[in-house]
Amino acid sequence: GAVVSQHPSRVICKSGTSVKIECRSLDFQATTMFWYRQFPKQSLMLMATSNEGSKATYEQGVEKDKFLINHASLTLSTLTVTSAHPEDSSFYICSARTRGQGQPQHFGDGTRLSIL
Amino acid sequence: GESVGLHLPTLSVQEGDNSIINCAYSNSASDYFIWYKQESGKGPQFIIDIRSNMDKRQGQRVTVLLNKTVKHLSLQIAATQPGDSAVYFCAEIISGYSTLTFGKGTMLLVSP
Repeated sequence: GAVVSQHPSRVICKSGTSVKIECRSLDFQATTMFWYRQFPKQSLMLMATSNEGSKATYEQGVEKDKFLINHASLTLSTLTVTSAHPEDSSFYICSARTRGQGQPQHFGDGTRLSIL
Repeated sequence: GESVGLHLPTLSVQEGDNSIINCAYSNSASDYFIWYKQESGKGPQFIIDIRSNMDKRQGQRVTVLLNKTVKHLSLQIAATQPGDSAVYFCAEIISGYSTLTFGKGTMLLVSP
């Protein structure tokens, strides 16, 4: 089946640093990738949608300068949390989908980000 | 299930029982629904889906029921096993759109 790999699975860093999270589709072309954030005991909230080669579309309330998304190839998207602060600590999950109506989203296993 | 604040609704069952997890959705324009299972520290895993032109769909040990009149979705798990313990989310897609909207989740605890 389709596999989406996220890296790193866990990261701990100091306040003020920037953190990059990678999302790769291993065996299919990911024309669209989605980034979600999940706080403890809560649901997944969509942050942004990116199509390969285009600028990401951000959901209302998500700062595009804070959460930089790059989707430069059909197998890789990156999310960079710039100047991270403790309130950015969360579980970040990506998903990927290939072109075509009705294609399912395949999810990565998430990245646990902890900002000290 | 609906959650309030930081408390996920929890369903506790014994191994071998049947489990029913409920979900209410709000958008009558939603035409595709998916149930996901999320284990601790992992991403969501697809369980079963249903389109709005159906009211029931069965998989292996799982059944999804859709009641469009009251905008209600349920997931039935037969002969629940400890490995079924996880948080279950329903998700919907609005007709003409491609983004998933997740419900609030229900934690299923299965004791041996």
